[in-house]
Amino acid sequence: AQTVTQSQPEMSVQEAETVTLSCTYDTSESDYYLFWYKQPPSRQMILVIRQEAYKQQNATENRFSVNFQKAAKSFSLKISDSQLGDAAMYFCAYRSINDMRFGAGTRLTVKP
Amino acid sequence: GAGVSQSPSNKVTEKGKDVELRCDPISGHTALYWYRQSLGQGLEFLIYFQGNSAPDKSGLPSDRFSAERTGGSVSTLTIQRTQQEDSAVYLCASSPAEGISTDTQYFGPGTRLTVL
Repeated sequence: AQTVTQSQPEMSVQEAETVTLSCTYDTSESDYYLFWYKQPPSRQMILVIRQEAYKQQNATENRFSVNFQKAAKSFSLKISDSQLGDAAMYFCAYRSINDMRFGAGTRLTVKP
Repeated sequence: GAGVSQSPSNKVTEKGKDVELRCDPISGHTALYWYRQSLGQGLEFLIYFQGNSAPDKSGLPSDRFSAERTGGSVSTLTIQRTQQEDSAVYLCASSPAEGISTDTQYFGPGTRLTVL
């Protein structure tokens, strides 16, 4: 079974600064998708960004970007110009035709 | 527009009782997922419905867990003879996907289940 590992249970960042959340995964499949989801205290999971494995270009959504290293099976999330509203749990997820896995999450705190 | 809704938002039950959790997906979404999120943990996949295909039940932890999806829309997750370790937040998600290439999941707010 594929595994998704988020090695940072907690991270903190100063408002307006940049933070990077790590995610690694293990797979033998070639066709898959990777996601970062945000879960604020309201419990509502929100899609932040997605990356198709066949695309070499890193996905970007406004202040959120990823560093996708397919050979290293690494998929980190960079949040630029952090805002107080970015404080939440962040989950990395893997999806293929055969499997779907979520990491254990990273709790991000944003300090004013 | 309306998102994924789940009811109840909170459920407290006694050990040994049966519970039903409901999920209303986004209209037109063909795929529906159930997850369990235990305190401080990530999401554990439970079951997946895709259109009229047989559901993928590979994540159900025991035969006390079952789920149905009626008419390709509303889904009910049933937990029989609840145990204290069933206490968790149960999240539902739907997706417009016909395949994984467009499988972006939209999550509901979850049901927090507490088994006393």
